[in-house]
Amino acid sequence: NAGVTQTPKFRILKIGQSMTLQCTQDMNHNYMYWYRQDPGMGLKLIYYSVGAGITDKGEVPNGYNVSRSTTEDFPLRLELAAPSQTSVYFCASSYPPGQYSYEQYFGPGTRLTVT
Amino acid sequence: KNQVEQSPQSLIILEGKNCTLQCNYTVSPFSNLRWYKQDTGRGPVSLTIMTFSENTKSNGRYTATLDADTKQSSLHITASQLSDSASYICVVSARSGNTPLVFGKGTRLSVIA
Repeated sequence: NAGVTQTPKFRILKIGQSMTLQCTQDMNHNYMYWYRQDPGMGLKLIYYSVGAGITDKGEVPNGYNVSRSTTEDFPLRLELAAPSQTSVYFCASSYPPGQYSYEQYFGPGTRLTVT
Repeated sequence: KNQVEQSPQSLIILEGKNCTLQCNYTVSPFSNLRWYKQDTGRGPVSLTIMTFSENTKSNGRYTATLDADTKQSSLHITASQLSDSASYICVVSARSGNTPLVFGKGTRLSVIA
């Protein structure tokens, strides 16, 4: 299993540009998540999905959109990029909460700089 | 407000020495507490998960403890190795459906020869 994969690894955007961060998992997990990690800060949840066709906002959803058309894929869309969105973005997946072994598996991250 | 506080922020130790990292939380109602290791430029990787009824859990040279009464946890690393250099993140889950995990800011550990 490849686990959770993310592309691209790095990206530089100009203010106002848009882009999509890709995330794919091959563990057949229902739950998928997008986090951002700012320097010296804990991870913050942007959006999550409990299954194909179902998404919900996390703590910091403004400026982002997501879709979940398949179990495997959970892309994160940035519209009108702003410097405040400079961060490292992590995608994760898991079995449903409530299962004791509900472990979140993280991808390697995408480092995004908006200038 | 649900919060997770970790100390120290950073730590430098000599290879072969032991160390203990601390985590205090205010998340309620508590479900479980995890410790993750995050190497530079990589995603977090789970070390341990503990529920309310578990006091201690080990994973090789890593031993986590949990005191649910005082809402404190510690991660003890024995006989440190250079490869232990990483950030160690304490994460607490609330027992309420899809409530997000609450992440601490992490302790940055550097093991030097």
